Amino acid sequence: GNSVTQMEGPVTLSEEAFLTINCTYTATGYPSLFWYVQYPGEGLQLLLKATKADDKGSNKGFEATYRKETTSFHLEKGSVQVSDSAVYFCALDLEYGNKLVFGAGTILRVKS
Amino acid sequence: KAGVTQTPRYLIKTRGQQVTLSCSPISGHRSVSWYQQTPGQGLQFLFEYFSETQRNKGNFPGRFSGRQFSNSRSEMNVSTLELGDSALYLCASSWGQGKNIQYFGAGTRLSVL
Repeated sequence: GNSVTQMEGPVTLSEEAFLTINCTYTATGYPSLFWYVQYPGEGLQLLLKATKADDKGSNKGFEATYRKETTSFHLEKGSVQVSDSAVYFCALDLEYGNKLVFGAGTILRVKS
Repeated sequence: KAGVTQTPRYLIKTRGQQVTLSCSPISGHRSVSWYQQTPGQGLQFLFEYFSETQRNKGNFPGRFSGRQFSNSRSEMNVSTLELGDSALYLCASSWGQGKNIQYFGAGTRLSVL
């Protein structure tokens, strides 16, 4: 079946540290890949996406590259801020679409 | 442009009751998907509607149902509530079919006592 595996959290970093959150997937077909972020008490916001192999999604300093050979879509940011503290979800969507499969989510805590 | 609106934001019900949640998508979006979020199971897909037709359904019992109206607004209904139905229910809308960006509402927090 289709699934997404994320590194377990929480991840605790100091401000300005480098962030990596690992995400790997299993899918039949050619999925689109997404990172969503959820702040406390809110719904999900799209952070970035990639629709085919070797695509790089980027937004607000976050980046992720669609690696088909390693079935991965790791999230990175060069310098995190306290305001980046949230839960991050990796997800995939297949061609028949609009049915996201999510990872378990990774809690990120950034200390000042 | 207004975002996805879910009402109500919070609900408290007792076991055995039924509940209806509402979702108004972004103007022009024709697809509405519903997800359940719990600490134990994470985010799980419930169903998706496009132009008033259910196109996809997740692995939930028949107590969970939904519909979509001609203006793309959607409702989901849960009958005979169980304690395990306590969750955040999220609605997402997108423009069309397949690999579209889904935009999420803030969710409805349902507590079953």
